[in-house]
Amino acid sequence: AQRVTQPEKLLSVFKGAPVELKCNYSYSGSPELFWYVQYSRQRLQLLLRHISRESIKGFTADLNKGETSFHLKKPFAQEEDSAMYYCALRHGFQKLVFGTGTRLLVSP
Amino acid sequence: ETGVTQSPTHLIKTRGQQVTLRCSSQSGHNTVSWYQQALGQGPQFIFQYYREEENGRGNFPPRFSGLQFPNYSSELNVNALELDDSALYLCASSSTLQGGGETQYFGPGTRLLVL
Repeated sequence: AQRVTQPEKLLSVFKGAPVELKCNYSYSGSPELFWYVQYSRQRLQLLLRHISRESIKGFTADLNKGETSFHLKKPFAQEEDSAMYYCALRHGFQKLVFGTGTRLLVSP
Repeated sequence: ETGVTQSPTHLIKTRGQQVTLRCSSQSGHNTVSWYQQALGQGPQFIFQYYREEENGRGNFPPRFSGLQFPNYSSELNVNALELDDSALYLCASSSTLQGGGETQYFGPGTRLLVL
C-alpha cells in the first residue's frame, strides 16, 4: 500500500535558521513525489516536484530511494515560509496520496 | 487564466441529508479529482473524472458519487450524510494527456459540517 509519513506535526525555527521537513514514503514502484504548501487563508498549491529537480522559493527536495525519503530543505528560513506543508506521492496517473502535513512556524 | 473554483464555500447539513458540491476546473484542464480533508489530516483521494467518466476511486463508499460535464466542470454528491463526513472537500483540476497525469491545481475547498 502507498503511504506518506510526515513525522512532525509542528516545526518551529527562528528566521535565518536551516529548515528540514521530513517525508518518508512506502510505494512499490517508481514514485513521483511532490511538496504542496498552504499559506494562511490560501489554497493548497504545488511547491515542487521531484522530477523537476528545481529550487522554488529557496526550497529543494531530493528523492532518496534507498531511504525512501523526500525531505524538504531550505538553508535560511524566512518568516513568510510559515505555512502548512504536505508531502504527496502520485499513485499511477491518478490519485495523490498525502501525508498528514507539517506546520512550519518561522519566528523573527 | 482562471483558477479552480468551488461552490459553496461553506455548508451545514444534518445527518441523513444529501449534498452536492460543485467545481469548475482551470481553463484548459480536462481532469477533475476530489479529495476529502478531515481536520488535522492530509487530503484523501475520493475519485477522479476524465472525459466525463470516473477514472479511479479511493476508499470511499458508493454514497459518494460524482459527475463531470462536457465543459469539464464537476459535481460531488454525498447521500445519507454521516457526522464523519464533516470535512473540507477539495477539488483539483489537471490536464491529462494520453492517459498521463499532470500537476493537480487545487480549489479553495468547500467546508461541510454535518450535524
